Amino acid sequence: AQSVTQLGSHVSVSEGALVLLRCNYSSSVPPYLFWYVQYPNQGLQLLLKYTSAATLVKGINGFEAEFKKSETSFHLTKPSAHMSDAAEYFCAVKGQNNDMRFGAGTRLTVKP
Amino acid sequence: DAGVIQSPRHEVTEMGQEVTLRCKPISGHNSLFWYRQTMMRGLELLIYFNNNVPIDDSGMPEDRFSAKMPNASFSTLKIQPSEPRDSAVYFCASSLRQGFNQPQHFGDGTRLSIL
Repeated sequence: AQSVTQLGSHVSVSEGALVLLRCNYSSSVPPYLFWYVQYPNQGLQLLLKYTSAATLVKGINGFEAEFKKSETSFHLTKPSAHMSDAAEYFCAVKGQNNDMRFGAGTRLTVKP
Repeated sequence: DAGVIQSPRHEVTEMGQEVTLRCKPISGHNSLFWYRQTMMRGLELLIYFNNNVPIDDSGMPEDRFSAKMPNASFSTLKIQPSEPRDSAVYFCASSLRQGFNQPQHFGDGTRLSIL
């Protein structure tokens, strides 16, 4: 069965610093992986998705994620954090019935 | 492009009352999902439908919860009777069923408070 694990429920960075949010997956088949962002009082929005076309995936708002099969990871990064990046981030993997398995989420805080 | 539309955005009611949450998926999407989000339990999948047919309702917490999808453009999640522990944000999401690379698109949620 497919699943994801997000390491770190809270991450705090300074404005301008590198953002690294960790996600490891478990899947018996080639995984379809996603990152979502949730701002306060809103639903989840798609940041980016991995579909095996390329291991480095670029998303919106300057975020990108790299698929590493050897490490079963799909970490999310952004070179320089902005105050507006403060939100909760969810990693997810597609299940075999088109359902989505979400991680527990990582809350990103950006300090001025 | 209209996204997933949920109503109401906020609902406050007393315990024991019936609560009905509504969702209109994106036109053309044939999979629909209901989630519940709380601080304690995070994001939980309650039930999902493919082509209006319930596929997996194992996440529905109790018989007090029921969901229907009478047609491709409308779904309801009903709680009867409601209890204070049902207080949460309920999200509806939709996606295209064909192709595993299709993401889910979320509504803005219904914030439910049971007093």
